[in-house]
Amino acid sequence: DQQVKQNSPSLSVQEGRISILNCDYTNSMFDYFLWYKKYPAEGPTFLISISSIKDKNEDGRFTVFLNKSAKHLSLHIVPSQPGDSAVYFCAASAMDSSYKLIFGSGTRLLVRP
Amino acid sequence: SAVISQKPSRDICQRGTSLTIQCQVDSQVTMMFWYRQQPGQSLTLIATANQGSEATYESGFVIDKFPISRPNLTFSTLTVSNMSPEDSSIYLCSAAGGPNTEAFFGQGTRLTVV
Repeated sequence: DQQVKQNSPSLSVQEGRISILNCDYTNSMFDYFLWYKKYPAEGPTFLISISSIKDKNEDGRFTVFLNKSAKHLSLHIVPSQPGDSAVYFCAASAMDSSYKLIFGSGTRLLVRP
Repeated sequence: SAVISQKPSRDICQRGTSLTIQCQVDSQVTMMFWYRQQPGQSLTLIATANQGSEATYESGFVIDKFPISRPNLTFSTLTVSNMSPEDSSIYLCSAAGGPNTEAFFGQGTRLTVV
């Protein structure tokens, strides 16, 4: 049973436009959500997180939105840059699960110059 | 943030042998984890490395196959035992300072079993 789902395996966006990456989850006990970026041959790099008590968190060009009723979160990148091209993973954790992270399957973002 | 060094970065091993992967964190951390990323797939948690006690394994992973040590708050090892080609994956070490904090990752160990 996949508790964290990223239904879009890939996304292509023009440079300067907005990139929106989506993530759905099924476990209502998840209370902390994170986005990671991964380049080939490197480990995942933390981007931004959000607690379940919030519905939005911003950090520069990156904004994460959380809709608890829909069990859905999204990552917005504005403006998108070619260097943002990577695989993006969403992850979730729950206080009752020793805070281990459960990852989605990833979305490959390509930002075209 | 924590800096995590993993070694080796890659290895090619014969089936039936074992490989130990080392993970060193530049600061004391509460929690350390080991993940596997098979080709084209997501990160799957193997186990939580507990300092001073036995690791906690996820469903589908067992201690005999993936023994883990964590002798202190900055270091852990994962051994992949009696390897088969199906064990070919990227193995990643992760560390976090506590609950509801970001986890940081090493660069990964790319293992190929032939």
